Amino acid sequence: QVQLQESGPGPVKPSETLSLTCTVSGGSISSYYWSWIRQPPGKGLEWIGYIYYGGSTNYNPSLKSRVTISQDTSKNQFSLKLSSVTAADTAVYYCARGFNRGELRVLGYWGQGTLVTVSS
Amino acid sequence: QSALTQPASVSGSPGQSITISCTGTSSDVGGYNYVSWYQQHPGKAPKLMIYDVSNRPSGISNRFSGSKSGNTASLTISGLQADDEADYYCNSYTSSTTLIFGGGTKLTVL
Repeated sequence: QVQLQESGPGPVKPSETLSLTCTVSGGSISSYYWSWIRQPPGKGLEWIGYIYYGGSTNYNPSLKSRVTISQDTSKNQFSLKLSSVTAADTAVYYCARGFNRGELRVLGYWGQGTLVTVSS
Repeated sequence: QSALTQPASVSGSPGQSITISCTGTSSDVGGYNYVSWYQQHPGKAPKLMIYDVSNRPSGISNRFSGSKSGNTASLTISGLQADDEADYYCNSYTSSTTLIFGGGTKLTVL
């Protein structure tokens, strides 16, 4: 059973870059779509973007100018970088995997989420 | 892209049925049979309940069902149980090769 675990350095200051890593166990990152999703406290889910194992990416248009998603196949990890953060970027960040190989459209497996706080 | 539209809240008594709607556009919900539904209990990660409009993953009760008409998808939960009380989110694939969520619906079991 695939498992996903988000990790990051902790609080981030305004205007800095938020960096998170998702470590995948119980399966390879090959042949799947891998997404990042976030949820501000008390609010709904927002899809941030994906990376496909071949390296192709796409992002939510509202965040596109600030987001980069990358992967490290040797470590079975993929990562999120969000630049120029503000308090509005405070959220629980989730990583997720496509339900079936080669399919973006269904987020079948999720990490437990990690809260990132943006504060000076 | 604007979030898909869901009612903020719905409620029902144990044993009853409820339906949650999810309205989008022809560029997302109406254009593809790629709508998913997720259940989220407080403090937990979302859980896939329905995918591709009406398919249930293994282990999901047949009390949960999905449908779609035009630009609106629906999730129906029959035989409501206390544990069904949660937030529910719809999600759709879009013509821009992105995903978009609904605003979420809080289900209260009375």
